[in-house]
Amino acid sequence: EVQVVESGGGLVQPGGSLRLSCAASGFTFSSYRMTWVRQAPGKGLEWVASIKQDGSEKFYVDSVKGRFTLSRDNAKDSLYLQMNSLRAEDTAVYYCARDRGPAAMGEWGQGTLVTVSS
Amino acid sequence: DIQMTQSPSTLSASVGDRVTITCRASQSISSWLAWYQQKPGKAPKLLIYKASSLESGVPSRFSGSGSGTEFTLTISSLQPDDFATYHCQQYSSNFRTFGQGTKVEIK
Repeated sequence: EVQVVESGGGLVQPGGSLRLSCAASGFTFSSYRMTWVRQAPGKGLEWVASIKQDGSEKFYVDSVKGRFTLSRDNAKDSLYLQMNSLRAEDTAVYYCARDRGPAAMGEWGQGTLVTVSS
Repeated sequence: DIQMTQSPSTLSASVGDRVTITCRASQSISSWLAWYQQKPGKAPKLLIYKASSLESGVPSRFSGSGSGTEFTLTISSLQPDDFATYHCQQYSSNFRTFGQGTKVEIK
């Protein structure tokens, strides 16, 4: 069974840092682009960042460029999102998803909540 | 970046109704459009990919159509389990974007 499980969320002060992890299982992790999507309380979905299969290319929404860094460890079937200089507007549930290319994002994790507040 | 605009934002309907949601892209995205269903407190669930391909396990009352810049999601006969929020997403660009969502409420 394909599964992705996020972890690492929590409460952090403005300006602080947090590292999210996504553990994958049930598929060949190194064969798929992976993506983070977030959802602020009561708001819609926002694509945050994606990373290609070998990690050679990464793409970010403008609002997180320079602050968030996406990486992956194909040997550990894991995806990471290092979030620095966090702002109140980064408060959201962060979802990890398997990006199946032409077949879109078929599998999502349960999400991890990041709250940026003093 | 490609902007996605959904309409309506909220839709009130009854069980058995035929429901249509529209999604427009700011530029052509060919058929690279997906539809997701989301219920409160849950992760989104893929319904349709490549504009009209039904994801495995999704009931056939859901269908998608369109290409270029205009797309629709249709629920042929609304069921109680279908009251949820629906999101479109383009994946023509490496910079994926979502519509703002359409909430389907009980009339």
